[in-house]
Amino acid sequence: DAGVTQSPTHLIKTRGQQVTLRCSPKSGHDTVSWYQQALGQGPQFIFQYYEEEERQRGNFPDRFSGHQFPNYSSELNVNALLLGDSALYLCASSPGGQTQYFGPGTRLLVL
Amino acid sequence: DAKTTQPPSMDCAEGRAANLPCNHSTISGNEYVYWYRQIHSQGPQYIIHGLKNNETNEMASLIITEDRKSSTLILPHATLRDTAVYYCIVRVANTNAGKSTFGDGTTLTVKP
Repeated sequence: DAGVTQSPTHLIKTRGQQVTLRCSPKSGHDTVSWYQQALGQGPQFIFQYYEEEERQRGNFPDRFSGHQFPNYSSELNVNALLLGDSALYLCASSPGGQTQYFGPGTRLLVL
Repeated sequence: DAKTTQPPSMDCAEGRAANLPCNHSTISGNEYVYWYRQIHSQGPQYIIHGLKNNETNEMASLIITEDRKSSTLILPHATLRDTAVYYCIVRVANTNAGKSTFGDGTTLTVKP
């Protein structure tokens, strides 16, 4: 049983560009959450998707948006990238509100 | 979501038990205590969770005080591979709104 997978593993962008990160949940999981982790800090909740709708959102600007597909996979989009968006982006999946399992993350560097 | 307080760092000798404390004095009745660990910028790894009773699995034991205001994660025989940042979080489960609020965690260093 594959765990949570994320792509790409690493990404380099320049300020002002847009980026799309992808996440495939564990088999049987229908809920996907996204987190941002800056260097030396704990993960910060961005938003959560269930039944293709955003259910909860953390304190992130509208530049951060997402989508969930019928197969439960998800995308995180960030527009107008800032240097401060450089971070490890983590996807976590769960069956409903149960235990969340995290993927390996995507390391984004904004130059 | 209730907040948690953890010591920033701890050391443990290899082969000894590692006891990691966590305070969650504002925990609500429907919030679970979860523990994760993160090894050098990999994704957080789920360890264990509990509501009221003590829990044990193949990785660790979780001891929750009777008033549920604090808990301790116990790694019974720490190895060098247990060196990681350990996060204690509290979150509502059994809903579709169970976001996880992470603090800065405890950096556990297991020494030979």
